[in-house]
Amino acid sequence: SQTIHQWPATLVQPVGSPLSLECTVEGTSNPNLYWYRQAAGRGLQLLFYSVGIGQISSEVPQNLSASRPQDRQFILSSKKLLLSDSGFYLCAWSADLSSNQPQHFGDGTRLSIL
Amino acid sequence: AQKITQTQPGMFVQEKEAVTLDCTYDTSDPSYGLFWYKQPSSGEMIFLIYQGSYDQQNATEGRYSLNFQKARKSANLVISASQLGDSAMYFCAMRELSGGGFKTIFGAGTRLFVKA
Repeated sequence: SQTIHQWPATLVQPVGSPLSLECTVEGTSNPNLYWYRQAAGRGLQLLFYSVGIGQISSEVPQNLSASRPQDRQFILSSKKLLLSDSGFYLCAWSADLSSNQPQHFGDGTRLSIL
Repeated sequence: AQKITQTQPGMFVQEKEAVTLDCTYDTSDPSYGLFWYKQPSSGEMIFLIYQGSYDQQNATEGRYSLNFQKARKSANLVISASQLGDSAMYFCAMRELSGGGFKTIFGAGTRLFVKA
């Protein structure tokens, strides 16, 4: 069966520090991968999605970046965090890009910027 | 412009009763998918139910059913026989073709409180 792992579960970082959140998927090949951010009590905002190794689409201009160095690995990064980067970050995968495939989410990372 | 609209920030329902969570969407694409997800306080997102734009029948999954009214562009979630464990945030989402690929857009969510 397929599983998705996301870490760390919580993170507290000072303003201006770098960031690296990692997400890996097991049990499937060539998944479509996504990074979402959720502000407290709000919906999900799509940040990045990837259809393959090295292929990243950015949805929102910001100081975050994403990379996919391996088929089942998706990394969210920042060189200098801002206060506005605080939130709940969710990684997700789906089997393919057809419209009937649900997304499966990791447990999320709660990021607090001080 | 809002693509997915959930007009109920919060809903209360008595245990064992049914509840309807509203969702309307906006798209010009004839092929799309509609999803409902549940997010408990722990934060994980749980897929509940799917409805395709070409599906003739309303989707059902156990106590969950989707009231799909295509002409009105609505996809309301019906939870029958509510349980205390149903208390959570519920998100409606739409998957549509965009820029050569498919994207999923989420609504702002509805927080459901089930009362004992």
